[in-house]
Amino acid sequence: DIQMTQSPSSLSASVGDRVTITCRASQTISAYLHWYQQKPGKAPKLLVYSTYSLQNGVPSRFSGSGSGTDFTLTISGLQPEDFATYYCQQSYILPRTFGRGTKVEI
Amino acid sequence: QVHLVESGGGVVQPGGSLTLSCSASGFSFSSYGMHWVRQAPGKGLEWVAFIRYDGGSDYYADSVKGRFTISRDDSKNNIYLQMSRLSAEDTAMYYCAKDSIADSYFDFWGQGTLVTVSS
Repeated sequence: DIQMTQSPSSLSASVGDRVTITCRASQTISAYLHWYQQKPGKAPKLLVYSTYSLQNGVPSRFSGSGSGTDFTLTISGLQPEDFATYYCQQSYILPRTFGRGTKVEI
Repeated sequence: QVHLVESGGGVVQPGGSLTLSCSASGFSFSSYGMHWVRQAPGKGLEWVAFIRYDGGSDYYADSVKGRFTISRDDSKNNIYLQMSRLSAEDTAMYYCAKDSIADSYFDFWGQGTLVTVSS
């Protein structure tokens, strides 16, 4: 199975900050890397797919980058509604695997 | 718009069985594969199972292989997850998720149904 390692596991930030979350795959996954946002008590929501493409309706302050094994999710100008947990996920092969999540706190 | 609604969760004793359902609407259901993903309380996301758009193949996480079965009924726009030999480790919120086809990410999720395995 492909292991997905996210860092940090949590971070504290303020409104307006630039936040970067990294995700490393245990083997190359090309660009098959996706990011989800989950708020407490809610289902996950797709943010970024295929490394850098924003899902419809996702604000442009979110961006993704990377390739191969190393990927990044950046939030440029953190907003109050962005405080949540973020997960990366690979779809290169089955089983689909997720990172352990990054909790973004105030 | 895409809408996924899970049902069938509840409390079940260890060793018991349960079947979850996911009702889909807002898209051409028979053209898309579907997944089940679960999340234990306070934990991260774990992919559970996938069924192809045509029902021709299904795939499972090792943790559930041989105990869970995913199926679909295109006449009802539903997918199902039959779960047997349940243990406390299966306690989780279970989400159904639509496959995107291209690059196979989870583009829409249901709200989840909670399964608690406890005596």
